[in-house]
Amino acid sequence: LAKTTQPISMDSYEGQEVNITCSHNNIATNDYITWYQQFPSQGPRFIIQGYKTKVTNEVASLFIPADRKSSTLSLPRVSLSDTAVYYCLVVGGYNTNAGKSTFGDGTTLTVKP
Amino acid sequence: DTAVSQTPKYLVTQMGNDKSIKCEQNLGHDTMYWYKQDSKKFLKIMFSYNNKELIINETVPNRFSPKSPDKAHLNLHINSLELGDSAVYFCASSQERSGATHYGYTFGSGTRLTVV
Repeated sequence: LAKTTQPISMDSYEGQEVNITCSHNNIATNDYITWYQQFPSQGPRFIIQGYKTKVTNEVASLFIPADRKSSTLSLPRVSLSDTAVYYCLVVGGYNTNAGKSTFGDGTTLTVKP
Repeated sequence: DTAVSQTPKYLVTQMGNDKSIKCEQNLGHDTMYWYKQDSKKFLKIMFSYNNKELIINETVPNRFSPKSPDKAHLNLHINSLELGDSAVYFCASSQERSGATHYGYTFGSGTRLTVV
């Protein structure tokens, strides 16, 4: 499975848009890109998943270029409660490494007032 | 109702002891996992079961033995605990039907194991 690389930490201020980029150069054809959020003393929580182009839900947007070697999680207008660790994962698609995944090191996002 | 529940939440034990962590999911998912998160927050997959069948067994000491009595339960038994086993252990589940899109993992709240 593709190894992921993301920044160790990022700082932002309330109300700003935050973009966290993840590299996954060896992503396979059937792999999906997913992002998780983890607060202290809690398990990771699924945020968003995509295969290519752009995906948007009520929480975030995910941008994936045509070559799929990277992806960018975009959090609009962050608040203090968005302070957390964000993980980028490449998840094996069907018939390959279905369900297998490698968590990266995560990006610690700190939102300041 | 908690979707993925683990017990106990905290576990403090001495080196050499044997302990178990239990996990149950009420989501109807067919696949369950155990992850280990160390003090540096790295999350590593340990085991995965699909419909009670072991499908992923990463490089984990054989002191760790998962057991899945049914697809809603996945327990983790650890023999001869060592100091290095101290970590947070997360149970997770997902739906992994063959040929279907992966829809994300649902994690439990974790079991903090401290070996003294």
